[in-house]
Amino acid sequence: AQSVTQPDIHITVSEGASLELRCNYSYGATPYLFWYVQSPGQGLQLLLKYFSGDTLVQGIKGFEAEFKRSQSSFNLRKPSVHWSDAAEYFCAVVSDGSGYSTLTFGKGTMLLVSP
Amino acid sequence: ETGVTQTPRHLVMGMTNKKSLKCEQHLGHNAMYWYKQSAKKPLELMFVYSLEERVENNSVPSRFSPECPNSSHLFLHLHTLQPEDSALYLCASSYGSAGDTEAFFGQGTRLTVV
Repeated sequence: AQSVTQPDIHITVSEGASLELRCNYSYGATPYLFWYVQSPGQGLQLLLKYFSGDTLVQGIKGFEAEFKRSQSSFNLRKPSVHWSDAAEYFCAVVSDGSGYSTLTFGKGTMLLVSP
Repeated sequence: ETGVTQTPRHLVMGMTNKKSLKCEQHLGHNAMYWYKQSAKKPLELMFVYSLEERVENNSVPSRFSPECPNSSHLFLHLHTLQPEDSALYLCASSYGSAGDTEAFFGQGTRLTVV
């Protein structure tokens, strides 16, 4: 069965500093990987996704992620964090059923942005 | 606004009550999902409907009863819940035909069982 590990429960970054959130997955086949963001009291918004091709994926809000098969990782990065980026971030891998797809999520990383 | 709308946004119910959560999407998707998000736990998939047919039920207690009357609407009927069922319930939809598809989430219903 597939699984996703986000080793950091909380991360605090100063505004303007760079950010990297870690994600490791366990999946037998070629994974389809996602990063979602959740603001307090809100649903999940897709930041970016990796299906195939270029291993460096660009997303919304200036985020990017790099797929590294050798390390089973899909880390999320941003060169300069803004206060509005404070939220919870979820990494997910999809398992492909017959006619539908389901996501397996990590436990999430809460990003705090300090002034 | 993701195109997936959930109502109500907040719900408080007693353990003997019966209530329903509603989810609506107008994105033309053919798969809909219920997820449960509890504190300190990963998002848990509860039910999957593909082409209005339930295709997955992840060992969810029978006090949760889903219904998908058409491809645009999904309900979660609740009865005799327990306090540990208090959580954020998220609905999602997708084209669902292959792995290379993204899920669009609603804003969730915050459920408190008292």
